[in-house]
Amino acid sequence: DGGITQSPKYLFRKEGQNVTLSCEQNLNHDAMYWYRQDPGQGLRLIYYSQIVNDFQKGDIAEGYSVSREKKESFPLTVTSAQKNPTAFYLCASSIRTSGGEIQETQYFGPGTRLLVL
Amino acid sequence: AQSVAQPEDQVNVAEGNPLTVKCTYSVSGNPYLFWYVQYPNRGLQFLLKYITGDNLVKGSYGFEAEFNKSQTSFHLKKPSALVSDSALYFCAVSRIKAAGNKLTFGGGTRVLVKP
Repeated sequence: DGGITQSPKYLFRKEGQNVTLSCEQNLNHDAMYWYRQDPGQGLRLIYYSQIVNDFQKGDIAEGYSVSREKKESFPLTVTSAQKNPTAFYLCASSIRTSGGEIQETQYFGPGTRLLVL
Repeated sequence: AQSVAQPEDQVNVAEGNPLTVKCTYSVSGNPYLFWYVQYPNRGLQFLLKYITGDNLVKGSYGFEAEFNKSQTSFHLKKPSALVSDSALYFCAVSRIKAAGNKLTFGGGTRVLVKP
């Protein structure tokens, strides 16, 4: 799991509640990513950020929000608009591609499991 | 659009026997291909990647993968499986010069190595 930490390991959400998942990295990586993992569906990209103060929607951004105020941190908020939030959430980071010539490896954190009460 | 198919949900193999996990991909242009492994309730660990060059890529823990452009495949192999190789394996693809370094993952293949 390298230099990427995610907290908490387990998180419980009540109806109508927003919850925030933490992701911190000390790898000096510019790019960070959030994925959602559901059984049998692999990983799906929620949001990604190539640089501080900038982020882009992934394939399933609805009901989620992010911020990137510091290079080391990329928190994900699961809002009440996300009707099916139960999943395993994975954060990743990589060296930012420059002009897209090099595909850098993404390194993953240990994950946060979100459950709905 | 890019996609990855892992046709087998589960692969069973006896310890000491060869292990193969299949992956086929679809992408416009030249692909970047990755294999990751996941142990229960853990994040993904990088095993190996193909960017360019030699079609046979060697990675961590004795794993290797062969890139076959004509068959659009990138199968993961290990000559002699260990019980500790039992885990969930993911293949992923990205397109060269893809914006945002975006990876597309397959659905995963569970490997069970029996003693």
